[in-house]
Amino acid sequence: DQQVKQNSPSLSVQEGRISILNCDYTNSMFDYFLWYKKYPAEGPTFLISISSIKDKNEDGRFTVFLNKSAKHLSLHIVPSQPGDSAVYFCAARPKNSGNTPLVFGKGTRLSVIA
Amino acid sequence: GAVVSQHPSRVICKSGTSVKIECRSLDFQATTMFWYRQFPKKSLMLMATSNEGSKATYEQGVEKDKFLINHASLTLSTLTVTSAHPEDSSFYICSARDPVRGLNTEAFFGQGTRLTVV
Repeated sequence: DQQVKQNSPSLSVQEGRISILNCDYTNSMFDYFLWYKKYPAEGPTFLISISSIKDKNEDGRFTVFLNKSAKHLSLHIVPSQPGDSAVYFCAARPKNSGNTPLVFGKGTRLSVIA
Repeated sequence: GAVVSQHPSRVICKSGTSVKIECRSLDFQATTMFWYRQFPKKSLMLMATSNEGSKATYEQGVEKDKFLINHASLTLSTLTVTSAHPEDSSFYICSARDPVRGLNTEAFFGQGTRLTVV
């Protein structure tokens, strides 16, 4: 049972345009959400997170939106750059779960075309 | 920020041999570390949770005798792939969370280890 779903395995975007990566979750106990970026043969690196008490968090070119009623979050990258080409993982964590691992989606491969 | 270092980054071994992968938290103490495996073009698959001073907790379907985890100190966890076979070839990644920064913060990942069994 996939609790965190990234339904688009890949996305291609023109350089300078907006990239929108989507993520849906099923567990209503999730209250903290994160996005990671991963290059081939490297570990994931943290990008941005959002707590369930917020609906938006912005950090430079990256903005994460959370729609709790729809159990949906999205990562917006604008403007997209070729260096943004990577696999993006959405992750979530349940409330009061102690030091338990994050639950990851399957990832979306973003290709930014120059 | 907190750093997790994984070693080696790449290893090639013969079938039947064992390989040890180290995961270190460099500037924080991690009572818990997590070991993941990633197959080509697939998501991160949690293998086990490594607990300092106690036995690791393995996910369903992961053989604990095959993937030995030792978390002997607050800064080091090791994963040993025993009697490796070609199907064990994969990308192994560890992560840890800095408890001082709070549990509701990002987990830091090691650089990953590419294991190839020939």
